[in-house]
Amino acid sequence: ETGVTQSPTHLIKTRGQQVTLRCSSQSGHNTVSWYQQALGQGPQFIFQYYREEENGRGNFPPRFSGLQFPNYSSELNVNALELDDSALYLCASSIPGQGVNIYGYTFGSGTRLTVV
Amino acid sequence: GEDVEQSLFLSVREGDSSVINCTYTDSSSTYLYWYKQEPGAGLQLLTYIFSNMDMKQDQRLTVLLNKKDKHLSLRIADTQTGDSAIYFCAERPDYKLSFGAGTTVTVRA
Repeated sequence: ETGVTQSPTHLIKTRGQQVTLRCSSQSGHNTVSWYQQALGQGPQFIFQYYREEENGRGNFPPRFSGLQFPNYSSELNVNALELDDSALYLCASSIPGQGVNIYGYTFGSGTRLTVV
Repeated sequence: GEDVEQSLFLSVREGDSSVINCTYTDSSSTYLYWYKQEPGAGLQLLTYIFSNMDMKQDQRLTVLLNKKDKHLSLRIADTQTGDSAIYFCAERPDYKLSFGAGTTVTVRA
């Protein structure tokens, strides 16, 4: 059983550019959530995808968008990058769809995004 | 700001016990979690406690829950150098996790 994998592990982008981050969920997990962790802070919820649809969103602007694919993998897209978008982006998968999973989520190792 | 609050730093001597404290806000949280994050890594689930429990023990880890005060603590017995990390308390009132800012635990020889 593989865990959650994210790619790339690091990348550097210029302010105003667009970026796509990718996540493969743990086998059998059909729900994917994305979190942003700024330096020195706890992770902040961006949004969650279930059955290829967004079913919950945190306090992030529309330039943060996502996709989930039939194989449950997911992408996070950020347009018009700002310096404050520099952070560790964590993907987490879980089961079942919206129900409570006592194990919470399985997190990937994250993508470190630096915006210059 | 964070709805879940934690002290930011803890320094402990190797072999001693570590106690990390957390206060949360949402009494409807069914489960409360402790995650560990090592440098450059993602989050590792350490343990969880169901909201109708007062205590849960898992090897060197003991979780205490005071639901009346919305206070959660994590005790690590016989702290080792490998326990040096950031520890996050998280509540889950709905479909998402709400994290504290994390407690950086430094284990000194």
